[in-house]
Amino acid sequence: AQSVAQPEDQVNVAEGNPLTVKCTYSVSGNPYLFWYVQYPNRGLQFLLKYITGDNLVKGSYGFEAEFNKSQTSFHLKKPSALVSDSALYFCAVRGSDNFNKFYFGSGTKLNVKP
Amino acid sequence: GAGVSQSPSNKVTEKGKDVELRCDPISGHTALYWYRQSLGQGLEFLIYFQGNSAPDKSGLPSDRFSAERTGGSVSTLTIQRTQQEDSAVYLCASSLESNQPQHFGDGTRLSIL
Repeated sequence: AQSVAQPEDQVNVAEGNPLTVKCTYSVSGNPYLFWYVQYPNRGLQFLLKYITGDNLVKGSYGFEAEFNKSQTSFHLKKPSALVSDSALYFCAVRGSDNFNKFYFGSGTKLNVKP
Repeated sequence: GAGVSQSPSNKVTEKGKDVELRCDPISGHTALYWYRQSLGQGLEFLIYFQGNSAPDKSGLPSDRFSAERTGGSVSTLTIQRTQQEDSAVYLCASSLESNQPQHFGDGTRLSIL
């Protein structure tokens, strides 16, 4: 079965500290992976994607993610968190049996404390 | 330019009524998606439109749900005989092509009394 898992409902970090939001996926073949961010009462905004190439992908707002094929992971990272990074983060993978279908994780709420 | 626009932003209706949700995608985007987001859940794929091709309806949860996309632009999602479990935020997204990043609207929050 194809799926995405975000094992942490919530991540708390202090401003200025590095942050990691975890994502693992289950899909056959080469995955197309995405991270999105959602602010309250808004739609999702694209942060970054991995399709092929370097395992370390850089995206918007200083975020980056590392693709690890052996661990089937695509963790989101940022070297120094900002209070304004506090939001809900979603990992997504494109289906391998149905390229039209994207599977989203249940989301991780990131809280950055001043 | 304008982003994806959804209306209404909020809809409260009684159980058993029909509702129609509207999505206006970014101009030129050929791919359009509808998702349902329930509290504490990820996004559930509902339906996908690509250009003039037949839509992928594989995510629609029941035959009470249907969607149209007229002229390759505006889309409407219709839920007939609404049930309380239909309460959720319905998100629309569009993209240039099917494997490009999706641009989301702010959603319609649907509440069934």
